[in-house]
Formats: sequence, structure tokens, C-alpha cells
Amino acid sequence: GAGVSQSPRYKVAKRGQDVALRCDPISGHVSLFWYQQALGQGPEFLTYFQNEAQLDKSGLPSDRFFAERPEGSVSTLKIQRTQKEDSAVYLCASSLLGMAGGSEEQYFGPGTRLTVT
Amino acid sequence: RKEVEQDPGPFNVPEGATVAFNCTYSNSASQSFFWYRQDCRKEPKLLMSVYSSGNEDGRFTAQLNRASQYISLLIRDSKLSDSATYLCVPSGTTDSWGKLQFGAGTQVVVTP
Repeated sequence: GAGVSQSPRYKVAKRGQDVALRCDPISGHVSLFWYQQALGQGPEFLTYFQNEAQLDKSGLPSDRFFAERPEGSVSTLKIQRTQKEDSAVYLCASSLLGMAGGSEEQYFGPGTRLTVT
Repeated sequence: RKEVEQDPGPFNVPEGATVAFNCTYSNSASQSFFWYRQDCRKEPKLLMSVYSSGNEDGRFTAQLNRASQYISLLIRDSKLSDSATYLCVPSGTTDSWGKLQFGAGTQVVVTP
């Protein structure tokens, strides 16, 4: 049984470049979350999907950040014109249902470590 | 005030000892709570869910104090493998369907 996978695991981008981060959730999981984790901090919520619907994107830091999940499975987080402050680990998580308030276990992927130089 | 606050530690604990730490939350509507553990440079993994006043799972005990809005985690008979960062996360509410607020985590270091 495969868990959540993310690719690439590491990405180095020059400031101003666009990047795309991929998340493959556990098969059949309805909910998908993206988080940003800076060093020494907990994961910060970015956005949430229930199937293909993006129900909450209030955590996206700017309009340079865009996420999609067009077929309700794989999701891509895109960051345009990367800045140094975007350097962080980007975590994807999925959960089986779409329970209100996120009141169920989330399964995390290994994350993508983005470094913007 | 942050929505979720945790003592960052580190808590240095001799092997075999007991350690406890708290997590305070501001959203009184939170009904359930989770403790995740995160090893260095790894992803968070669920340690324990708390849906009522508390939960116990082996050496780990979580207790919820709704009046004072904090949840504690106690680890008994600490093992070297318990060294990790422990993240607290209250569930959201129906107003914030999937948006969860993680604490910054409490680091525990178990020493031989």
C-alpha cells in the first residue's frame, strides 16, 4: 500500500523561476492538503481540496501560489516568480473522507524541500 | 495571540523518565485534537487522537482541559526513539472546513 508521494524531493530554483510541485495522495482519499513548513516551525496551512474542488485557499501567501487537483487525485502546487522567502518544505497530506473541521487523521508525504537562491 | 501555542523546548529527558508538556489553543469550538510526531527532516505522523477528555495509548497519555483550553501529552518510561518534535493540532470547525492550525511543536530529546 503506497503512501502519499511527492516529487521532486528537492528543488533548487533561481529567484524568479517558476516551480511545480507534485503530490500523489493515497488512492481513494477524498481530501488533500498543502502545507508550508519553515525551519523550526509547524506546518502552515496553504490550501485544501475535497476531490477536485478547492474549498479553502486562504493560506496561500500570494497570488504567485496556485494549486490544482483537476481529476480529484494528483495535485500540483505551482509557485510563479519564486522569491527567497518561498524557501521551505512543502508538505502534502491526504485524508480518507472530507470530515468537517479536518477531524480525521492526515497522512503526510515526505515533502519537497524548495531552496530559492 | 497565536491560535496554537507550544513550548518549543527542547525538553531533555533521561531515558526511562517521564516528560509532559502542554499545548494551548484559542478556538474554543475545537472538538477534537491530534498529536503528531515529527522526526528530524521527516514528515509528521499521527501519534494520538483525542475526541473526549483524553486518551491513553501505551506509554503516551493525552489529557484535555477544555475550561483552560489546553491539551497535554505525557510520555512515561521514555525511550531514545521518543526523541522527536511533537506537534499539536486542534481540529477546525465547520466554518473552516479543512483548515488546520498546527502548533510550532515541542522538541523532546531523550538521552541515555
